[in-house]
Amino acid sequence: EPEVTQTPSHQVTQMGQEVILRCVPISNHLYFYWYRQILGQKVEFLVSFYNNEISEKSEIFDDQFSVERPDGSNFTLKIRSTKLEDSAMYFCASSEPSSGRQETQYFGPGTRLLVL
Amino acid sequence: AQKVTQAQTEISVVEKEDVTLDCVYETRDTTYYLFWYKQPPSGELVFLIRRNSFDEQNEISGRYSWNFQKSTSSFNFTITASQVVDSAVYFCALSEPTSGNTPLVFGKGTRLSVIA
Repeated sequence: EPEVTQTPSHQVTQMGQEVILRCVPISNHLYFYWYRQILGQKVEFLVSFYNNEISEKSEIFDDQFSVERPDGSNFTLKIRSTKLEDSAMYFCASSEPSSGRQETQYFGPGTRLLVL
Repeated sequence: AQKVTQAQTEISVVEKEDVTLDCVYETRDTTYYLFWYKQPPSGELVFLIRRNSFDEQNEISGRYSWNFQKSTSSFNFTITASQVVDSAVYFCALSEPTSGNTPLVFGKGTRLSVIA
C-alpha cells in the first residue's frame, strides 16, 4: 500500500541553524501539507501546497519557513534559522486531487526536530 | 471559526472493556468533513475514518464504530472489546472544504490506555 515517507526520522540542530525536512508524498497525490505537533499538544496546520504554489498557510508559517517541490517526488520544508520553540514533530501529508470535496489526508511517520 | 473539542484528556480501561471517545465540533458551514486519526506510541498518524456532513449513517468497522449526530455536533468513536494494541492518542479533526482540499483542524486528542 502506498505511503508517505519522511526523512530524517529525527533531527537535532543548534539554534539558528537551517534545517530541511524531506517528504515523499504518495505518487498520485497532488495536494501536500505540513503540520507540526509540539510534544504533548495537538497537531497544527502549517501550510498546504498545490500546483507548485502555496494554497494556504497558518500564522505559524512565518518568513522563517519555506516549502518547495524540487522535483517530481520530493516535498520539503525549510526552516531558515531555527528557534528553540521550533522543536516539534513535523508531519507531511498528501491527498488525492479534489473533485470539490475533502479528500483524506494521509500522513507520514513524522520527523522529530529538536533545537538546542 | 472551526473548533474541535475532545473533552476527555486521558482514559484508562481494562482490556475487553468498551470505551467511547467523545468529539464535539463547531462549524458555520453546512458542508464539512470529520475525521478520526490514531497516534500510537511510535508517533505516526494513522487515518481511521472520514465522514461528510450529509451522511449521518453510523459506521462499524470491526471493533470500531462511529456515531455521527448533527443535532448535537458530535462524532463519537467507540472501541468494543478494547485491546492493549488500542492504546494510543486519538484525534478528531474537522475540515470545511470551500474549494477542494483544506487544512484539518484537530482536537487536542484523547490518550487511551488499555491495561491487560
